[in-house]
Amino acid sequence: NAGVTQTPKFRVLKTGQSMTLLCAQDMNHEYMYWYRQDPGMGLRLIHYSVGEGTTAKGEVPDGYNVSRLKKQNFLLGLESAAPSQTSVYFCASSSPLWRANTGELFFGEGSRLTVL
Amino acid sequence: AQTVTQSQPEMSVQEAETVTLSCTYDTSENNYYLFWYKQPPSRQMILVIRQEAYKQQNATENRFSVNFQKAAKSFSLKISDSQLGDTAMYFCAFMKLRETGNQFYFGTGTSLTVIP
Repeated sequence: NAGVTQTPKFRVLKTGQSMTLLCAQDMNHEYMYWYRQDPGMGLRLIHYSVGEGTTAKGEVPDGYNVSRLKKQNFLLGLESAAPSQTSVYFCASSSPLWRANTGELFFGEGSRLTVL
Repeated sequence: AQTVTQSQPEMSVQEAETVTLSCTYDTSENNYYLFWYKQPPSRQMILVIRQEAYKQQNATENRFSVNFQKAAKSFSLKISDSQLGDTAMYFCAFMKLRETGNQFYFGTGTSLTVIP
């Protein structure tokens, strides 16, 4: 059972470089989310999507872009990485309650990104 | 805006003892869901327990139970017979129901150490 898969798991970037994090889920979930986790700050929502072709900003969207061209994939892009974007990034997915009456988030294993 | 507060950054408990982690939240919503997630050193976020706000009965899952006080907006997690494998970061989460995608809000986490 793959669930939610994130790639890559680790990455080191130089300031100004770009990269894309890929999230793939095989649970046919409508909703997908990107969070960042920093010490003492819990998880903060970057962007989310409620369906294929739709995206929306979360709490901390600046410096990130996302795309959801396919229902199972949600990409997070950093166009010009900055040291402040050093963090652990989590992708998560869920279904609306009318389809799956749990509502919980299913998480990937996280991606540790370091920007030098 | 919804806020979730975990006032205990770190806690420890002796193996086989009981420990309670606190969580309070602020919302004007009447119907919502609450969750406790566990994040062990492996970094994977794992659902521990969930509670629907419209249910008065406290949720239980084996050694894990909650004390849900809706009027006080409190949602504490009790771990009985603590085991070494319970050592982890624990996050309280609030889910707001929306047709445009459920919205989740996380606390800053409590780091629990189970001492042999």
